[in-house]
Amino acid sequence: SQTIHQWPATLVQPVGSPLSLECTVEGTSNPNLYWYRQAAGRGLQLLFYSVGIGQISSEVPQNLSASRPQDRQFILSSKKLLLSDSGFYLCAWRRTGAGEKLFFGSGTQLSVL
Amino acid sequence: GQQVMQIPQYQHVQEGEDFTTYCNSSTTLSNIQWYKQRPGGHPVFLIQLVKSGEVKKQKRLTFQFGEAKKNSSLHITATQTTDVGTYFCAGPSGGGTSYGKLTFGQGTILTVHP
Repeated sequence: SQTIHQWPATLVQPVGSPLSLECTVEGTSNPNLYWYRQAAGRGLQLLFYSVGIGQISSEVPQNLSASRPQDRQFILSSKKLLLSDSGFYLCAWRRTGAGEKLFFGSGTQLSVL
Repeated sequence: GQQVMQIPQYQHVQEGEDFTTYCNSSTTLSNIQWYKQRPGGHPVFLIQLVKSGEVKKQKRLTFQFGEAKKNSSLHITATQTTDVGTYFCAGPSGGGTSYGKLTFGQGTILTVHP
C-alpha cells in the first residue's frame, strides 16, 4: 500500500535561517506531488506541484522553493525564512484514475520567530 | 482566478443536531472532493462527486453535487463528538490540464458539544 512520510512534525526557526522540509512517498511510482500551506488552521494554499523528477511548478510568488531530486522525494526549502513563512505545511500525492484523491502527509508546523 | 467559497466558517452544534456546510465555486467543476481535518491532524479524503446532481451517502454523511456542477453540500445527521473537525471542499484548479491541482475552500470548523 502507499504511504507518505513528512518530517519534521514541528519546527521552530529564527528569522533569516534556512529551511528544508522533506516528503517521501512509498508504494507508488511517478506520483504527482504537492506542497500546501495552511495558515491559522484554515484553508489550504497550493505552493508547488511536481509531475516528475526535476519538474517543479510554483503557484504563488514567495520566499520558498521546491525540488524533486528523486521520483518519490519532494523537498521544500528556503534560504532565509521570514516571519510570514510560519504555518502548517502539508505534502500530498495524488492517486489518479477511478477514485481520484489526494493523500496528505502528517504535516510540519513551522514557527518562525 | 477560480474561487471556492464555503459557508459557514464556524458551526457549533449540540450532539445529536444536524449540520450542513455549503460550497460554491466561481467556475463549473469537473468534480468536487470533500476532506475532513481533525484538530491537530491532516486533511483526509472523504468523497469525490463527479456527476451533475449526484448524491452520495456515507452512514450519517450525505454529499450533494449541484445540477450546474458549481456548488456542493455536506450534511451530517445527528452529529457526534467524533464529527469534530474542519470540513473542506475542493475542486480542480484552472482549465485544461490541471495536473490534479485542487483549489480548497476555506473550510467549515465544526464543534460538537456533548
